[in-house]
Amino acid sequence: QVTLRESGPALVKPTQTLTLTCTFSGFSLSTSGMCVSWIRQPPGKALEWLARIDWDNDKYYSTSLKTRLTISKDTSKNQVVLTMTNMDPVDTATFYCARTTVTTSKVAFDIWGQGTMVTVSS
Amino acid sequence: QTVVTQEPSLTVSPGGTVTLTCASSTGAVTSGYYPNWFQQKPGQPPRALIYSTSNKHSWTPARFSGSLLGGKAALTLSGVQPEDEAEYYCLLYYGGVWVFGGGTKLTVL
Repeated sequence: QVTLRESGPALVKPTQTLTLTCTFSGFSLSTSGMCVSWIRQPPGKALEWLARIDWDNDKYYSTSLKTRLTISKDTSKNQVVLTMTNMDPVDTATFYCARTTVTTSKVAFDIWGQGTMVTVSS
Repeated sequence: QTVVTQEPSLTVSPGGTVTLTCASSTGAVTSGYYPNWFQQKPGQPPRALIYSTSNKHSWTPARFSGSLLGGKAALTLSGVQPEDEAEYYCLLYYGGVWVFGGGTKLTVL
C-alpha cells in the first residue's frame, strides 16, 4: 500500500524559510520511473504544481516560483524535502505531496498525501 | 505565462452526462501534454481519476472517461451520481513543468 504524509510547521513568519517533509511508504524513489511532486492550494483556490524530483535526482520547478524552491530526497529515509524561501502571507496554503509515476508514454500523479496547512503570519 | 482554462462551473442532473474540458493557452492539447484529471471534495485531498489523456486508475469508476476533444482535454461523466458533485482539476505538462487548470465546480442537481 502506497502512502504519503506531509509534515512541517503550521505557522511561519513572513520572510522565513519553510521546510516541508514528505515521508512515504510502499515504493522506493530509487526505482526507475518513481517521482514525488509537491502541490499547494491556497484556501478556496485552485491547485498549483510546485516541484518534482525523480528517481535519478532530476528536479523540476514551477516557472514562477523556481527562485524560491528547492526539492531534495533522502532515499534511505523515504523522504522528500521541499524548502520555500522568503515566505509571504499569500503563500498561506495546504501543501500536498503526490507520487508521480513516469513511463515512456504515461505520467500519473496517482497517490496523494492528506496535506499540511501552512499559515504565513507575523 | 501558460494558462490552463476549465469551465468554472457546470450543472448536471443525476443520471445525465457531462463533459468538462481543459484548454491550453499555447494551443491544442495533445497526448504529449499527458492530461491528468483529479476530483476534490471539500476538506479532502485531490483524488486521481485519469492519467495521460484516457487511462483510468484501478479505483476510477467506469462512468468517468478521458479523451481529447476539439483541441482540448476532456473528462466525461456518464450516468452522473450525486456523489460526483465536486471540484475537478486538470493538469497539463509543458516540458518539465506542470500547470493545473483553475478547476470546474460540478453541481449535481
